[in-house]
Amino acid sequence: GDSVTQMEGPVTLSEEAFLTINCTYTATGYPSLFWYVQYPGEGLQLLLKATKADDKGSNKGFEATYRKETTSFHLEKGSVQVSDSAVYFCALRDSSYKLIFGSGTRLLVRP
Amino acid sequence: EAEVAQSPRYKITEKSQAVAFWCDPISGHATLYWYRQILGQGPELLVQFQDESVVDDSQLPKDRFSAERLKGVDSTLKIQPAELGDSAMYLCASSLQQSGTDTQYFGPGTRLTVL
Repeated sequence: GDSVTQMEGPVTLSEEAFLTINCTYTATGYPSLFWYVQYPGEGLQLLLKATKADDKGSNKGFEATYRKETTSFHLEKGSVQVSDSAVYFCALRDSSYKLIFGSGTRLLVRP
Repeated sequence: EAEVAQSPRYKITEKSQAVAFWCDPISGHATLYWYRQILGQGPELLVQFQDESVVDDSQLPKDRFSAERLKGVDSTLKIQPAELGDSAMYLCASSLQQSGTDTQYFGPGTRLTVL
């Protein structure tokens, strides 16, 4: 079945460092891809999405490009802030429209 | 900004007791989802509604879990009896329609602890 694999965390960075969180997927067809963020004690918030190959999703300085050839959707940010500390989930939407999530990557940004 | 509402936010219960969680989706959203998120893992879909009809409940443990959305608006998820392994965050999400371009919006979740 469809699945999402994320790099394991935690990822610890200093403020203003460059961030990459790797995400690869296995799916039949061409699913829509998402990044959600979860702050402590809260639900999930949509960060960005891409619905077809070569699309780039972006929001709040974060970017991810839908790469069909490598089945990847890596999350990047040029300069992280302490407030970016959270758990990040990569997800795909399968043919029945349900979301399939990766296991999450915890990001800790130190001042 | 419209939000998905859930209650309670936290619930502690003893095993073999019954628990219920409530979700009120964003107004006008036809599709409602219940997910379970075990600590350290990503959410997994339990049940999906389109209006008042169940579209997918293949991962719902039907011997102890039930879900309803009687009027196609708010929804209740019930566990009876609760087991220790049910301790998790239960997340509700909604989307405008069941479509390939719609975004799912999540509520704050209910954290369940079974003792």
